[in-house]
Amino acid sequence: AQKITQTQPGMFVQEKEAVTLDCTYDTSDQSYGLFWYKQPSSGEMIFLIYQGSYDEQNATEGRYSLNFQKARKSANLVISASQLWDSAMYFCAMRGNSGGYQKVTFGTGTKLQVIP
Amino acid sequence: DTGVSQNPRHKITKRGQNVTFRCDPISEHNRLYWYRQTLGQGPEFLTYFQNEAQLEKSRLLSDRFSAERPKGSFSTLEIQRTEQGDSAMYLCASSFPLAGGGTDTQYFGPGTRLTVL
Repeated sequence: AQKITQTQPGMFVQEKEAVTLDCTYDTSDQSYGLFWYKQPSSGEMIFLIYQGSYDEQNATEGRYSLNFQKARKSANLVISASQLWDSAMYFCAMRGNSGGYQKVTFGTGTKLQVIP
Repeated sequence: DTGVSQNPRHKITKRGQNVTFRCDPISEHNRLYWYRQTLGQGPEFLTYFQNEAQLEKSRLLSDRFSAERPKGSFSTLEIQRTEQGDSAMYLCASSFPLAGGGTDTQYFGPGTRLTVL
């Protein structure tokens, strides 16, 4: 079984500041992938960043970086230089690779609000 | 637009009616997924297709729910005898398997918001 825990229901950040959104996970799979998605109020899930469990370096995509600490089973999302349009729900998710298992398990999300 | 599309975007129905949603994946993606998202929660997996074959189904998918992907392209999700508890956002996603069997990224559509009165 897989589980994603996001302990921050809501976060505030000042515009242009960096913010870290926490995510911890639990899985018995040796190989797995971790994802972050953004969901604005319009409802669409927007893929942000991916980290493979065997990737040696932390993933980065523009202003997004994933702080992957495998021993701690954490995959925190760091957004640098926050912008007003970063205000949205953010979901951490994971997928294991055992037995062709395709299900992605999502956390409950963190609502980020960027303050001018 | 070459992303995942879903129709309709909104559906309001009365309890007991049947509803059908459609998902058109990204054209080269042979994997297609359905999720359900209720207010304040993350999406929950419902079912998964590889081409036309339905390979995984969640226990959330009761016998009132059926999904098809007859030609391996678009998919439909039907809910029969809708209940108020079916009110949710229904999300579709698609992906393409990576060479070597690594984790492929799922790209989501805008969702269909169902309200059952």
